[in-house]
Amino acid sequence: GENVEQHPSTLSVQEGDSAVIKCTYSDSASNYFPWYKQELGKRPQLIIDIRSNVGEKKDQRIAVTLNKTAKHFSLHITETQPEDSAVYFCAASPPYDRGSTLGRLYFGRGTQLTVWP
Amino acid sequence: EADIYQTPRYLVIGTGKKITLECSQTMGHDKMYWYQQDPGMELHLIHYSYGVNSTEKGDLSSESTVSRIRTEHFPLTLESARPSHTSQYLCASRGLAGGNFKETQYFGPGTRLLVL
Repeated sequence: GENVEQHPSTLSVQEGDSAVIKCTYSDSASNYFPWYKQELGKRPQLIIDIRSNVGEKKDQRIAVTLNKTAKHFSLHITETQPEDSAVYFCAASPPYDRGSTLGRLYFGRGTQLTVWP
Repeated sequence: EADIYQTPRYLVIGTGKKITLECSQTMGHDKMYWYQQDPGMELHLIHYSYGVNSTEKGDLSSESTVSRIRTEHFPLTLESARPSHTSQYLCASRGLAGGNFKETQYFGPGTRLLVL
């Protein structure tokens, strides 16, 4: 099955700086890559996703880039704020017709981001 | 409002008790999942279902069982709770929602289980 590696496991930045979290995946057939943010005591929430037909997607201060050849994708947060502090999870999903996976997500192990004021 | 609901939100129970964690979704999604997560840690898939009467075991071996008799309902049962089962259990569903024309996975609020 798919294997997703996520780095770093912890990341501390000063407010206003940028933060970058990187993920690699093993299955070249994977075509959907979401990012989830989980604040302390809350459920994971989707913040941005990208599909394999595009290389970059932006939504205000967050952006995701995808390099299909190298099989890696990254989350970029600019002008970080204390409320960006959370655990971030990347995930990859093979297409639905691939055996019995039927679109399940394979998650990275998470990155604890701390933004210091 | 279309959402995923989990009950109870918190449960403290003694060793050996049988428990059922409830999960229901009002989004009409076929695919549903159960994850086990220790605080601030990675998400471990323990069960999933892609429709009524279909269930599969996930990546992390679990002594729990699940059933899917109705599309909206995906309960998880522990026949005999042990302290090693202490964790947070997150339910999720995947499909179309809120005018989004692409399938997306949504998580429930979770159940925090403490087995004494």
